[in-house]
Amino acid sequence: DAGVIQSPRHEVTEMGQEVTLRCKPISGHNSLFWYRQTMMRGLELLIYFNNNVPIDDSGMPEDRFSAKMPNASFSTLKIQPSEPRDSAVYFCASSLARGGSKTDTQYFGPGTRLTVL
Amino acid sequence: AQSVTQPDIHITVSEGASLELRCNYSYGATPYLFWYVQSPGQGLQLLLKYFSGDTLVQGIKGFEAEFKRSQSSFNLRKPSVHWSDAAEYFCAVGPNFGNEKLTFGTGTRLTIIP
Repeated sequence: DAGVIQSPRHEVTEMGQEVTLRCKPISGHNSLFWYRQTMMRGLELLIYFNNNVPIDDSGMPEDRFSAKMPNASFSTLKIQPSEPRDSAVYFCASSLARGGSKTDTQYFGPGTRLTVL
Repeated sequence: AQSVTQPDIHITVSEGASLELRCNYSYGATPYLFWYVQSPGQGLQLLLKYFSGDTLVQGIKGFEAEFKRSQSSFNLRKPSVHWSDAAEYFCAVGPNFGNEKLTFGTGTRLTIIP
């Protein structure tokens, strides 16, 4: 079975440019999570969706960041305009929520390493 | 609010020696607990999880963890480490009532020496 798929694996861009990161969750999973990992701040949850609906976006750093999930098999995280401090590894994860406030194992993708010059 | 503490930032162990990585949590009810491993340049992989039942949980790659409610701990153990175990290890606790968020610890980096 294919795991969580993320693209691109590496992205180098210049400050001010728009960056779009993509994620395909595991088929059948109904929750999707976007994380950011840096040396300074560790692993931070940015936003998560359940059944394509954003549930908690309290971790989104500012208005430059936006995330969408137009269908159950695709999500994007967009940064516009990008800044050097956005340089990090961005992970997508998915899980099969069991309803209510239940949680279950999150399966992580390989990540996108973003460098903003 | 729930929290996870991994008190050891970096641990060095000789190959073949035993390993214990510490994880302490703060949570208002019976938690769901996870250990993930991250190899360099890779995503996080689940090692094991505790939801309920037997407090000693077996995972992949020969790892185990024990849930101790009285100590609010979920320490990860392995009787004999291999050079391939060198990685970063993360403990996580959930759910955050009302949603599925996991709270991750800051990680413990494991170095294996020959």
